[in-house]
Amino acid sequence: KAGVTQTPRYLIKTRGQQVTLSCSPISGHRSVSWYQQTPGQGLQFLFEYFSETQRNKGNFPGRFSGRQFSNSRSEMNVSTLELGDSALYLCASSLLPGQDNSPLHFGNGTRLTVT
Amino acid sequence: AQTVTQSQPEMSVQEAETVTLSCTYDTSESDYYLFWYKQPPSRQMILVIRQEAYKQQNATENRFSVNFQKAAKSFSLKISDSQLGDAAMYFCAYSSLSVGGTSYGKLTFGQGTILTVHP
Repeated sequence: KAGVTQTPRYLIKTRGQQVTLSCSPISGHRSVSWYQQTPGQGLQFLFEYFSETQRNKGNFPGRFSGRQFSNSRSEMNVSTLELGDSALYLCASSLLPGQDNSPLHFGNGTRLTVT
Repeated sequence: AQTVTQSQPEMSVQEAETVTLSCTYDTSESDYYLFWYKQPPSRQMILVIRQEAYKQQNATENRFSVNFQKAAKSFSLKISDSQLGDAAMYFCAYSSLSVGGTSYGKLTFGQGTILTVHP
């Protein structure tokens, strides 16, 4: 069974631009979560989606948004990029929301560099 | 809000030896999940072990075991018979339970501990 697939693996953007990252969960998984990983702030939760609905949201500005499609694939968008948005963005999927007998499976991440 | 603290930025161990990684957390909740994740250079986060707070018995997974001290809010990971492939960044993480009793997909992570394994 294929794992969580994130595309692209690397991305370079300039300040002020917007970016869209994609995540394809493991087949059959219906919940997707997104995390930002930086050396300074560590791993921080962005949002969680289940059945196309945002179930939980982290403490990030409105420039960060996401969505989930009917096939459970998810995208996150960052508008008006800032240098501080440079990070590794990790996507994780699970069969159902949360951890009850359904642990998160992470992808390899998208490395975003903002110049 | 919950916080997770890993006080050891780096640890090292000799191959075949045992090492313990420390983690403390702060929460006012009585039911929750705790995790240890491993992140090798490939960047993929891999679940090592999981502990449900309502279970008093410490979780074990092959060479990996935890020492869960609920009253002290401590959750350490012991790696026995360390192998070169254990070298990675290790993260301790916390997950709340929702009102309905199911847990959230939101994890609160510690800052991580880099583990080096010497041959």
